[in-house]
Amino acid sequence: DTAVSQTPKYLVTQMGNDKSIKCEQNLGHDTMYWYKQDSKKFLKIMFSYNNKELIINETVPNRFSPKSPDKAHLNLHINSLELGDSAVYFCASSRHRLAGVSHEQFFGPGTRLTVL
Amino acid sequence: AQSVAQPEDQVNVAEGNPLTVKCTYSVSGNPYLFWYVQYPNRGLQFLLKYITGDNLVKGSYGFEAEFNKSQTSFHLKKPSALVSDSALYFCAVRDRAGNMLTFGGGTRLMVKP
Repeated sequence: DTAVSQTPKYLVTQMGNDKSIKCEQNLGHDTMYWYKQDSKKFLKIMFSYNNKELIINETVPNRFSPKSPDKAHLNLHINSLELGDSAVYFCASSRHRLAGVSHEQFFGPGTRLTVL
Repeated sequence: AQSVAQPEDQVNVAEGNPLTVKCTYSVSGNPYLFWYVQYPNRGLQFLLKYITGDNLVKGSYGFEAEFNKSQTSFHLKKPSALVSDSALYFCAVRDRAGNMLTFGGGTRLMVKP
């Protein structure tokens, strides 16, 4: 029944490692997103995909690479992890933006990444 | 560039009293406006949105928000607060041409019995 799911929920790793976070949505949405929430709870968009095509790519280091094998999945791979990458990462999905219509986003439960 | 300001880091209110969580925005043209709530260790949940039409929008759990174009505000309100309303609240804006949702910094609502 889970609408937007993420795995793992917690991820603890050493600096320099490479890790991935998976996201899946069963809502039939066309658009998926990755957000980063820092320790002060500030929430910032990182990427957005629509039907497997990248449509938003904010100023994120190229160590972060999203991958969308199909429109129900948007995974986040992070290379050479740094201390500053520690945060909670949220996946979200929505129906595609149509002219004159805006659809709310549905969020996953988050993945707490801790880099030691 | 679009932006959202939530001027209060925290709002304290007694149970049963009305509550207001403030939000002002800056965007090109007419905005789409949203409120989300985040409970501890959970993802964000959608509360309500303003797209067009009536300036007073009603949402989940008895919350409502009023769009004020002249003041570029979209304050969240509830007539009678519950202890269970205690959470982190985020206001967000999107312009009509773009895809990106910009969030405010969040306001922590504390409702005391």
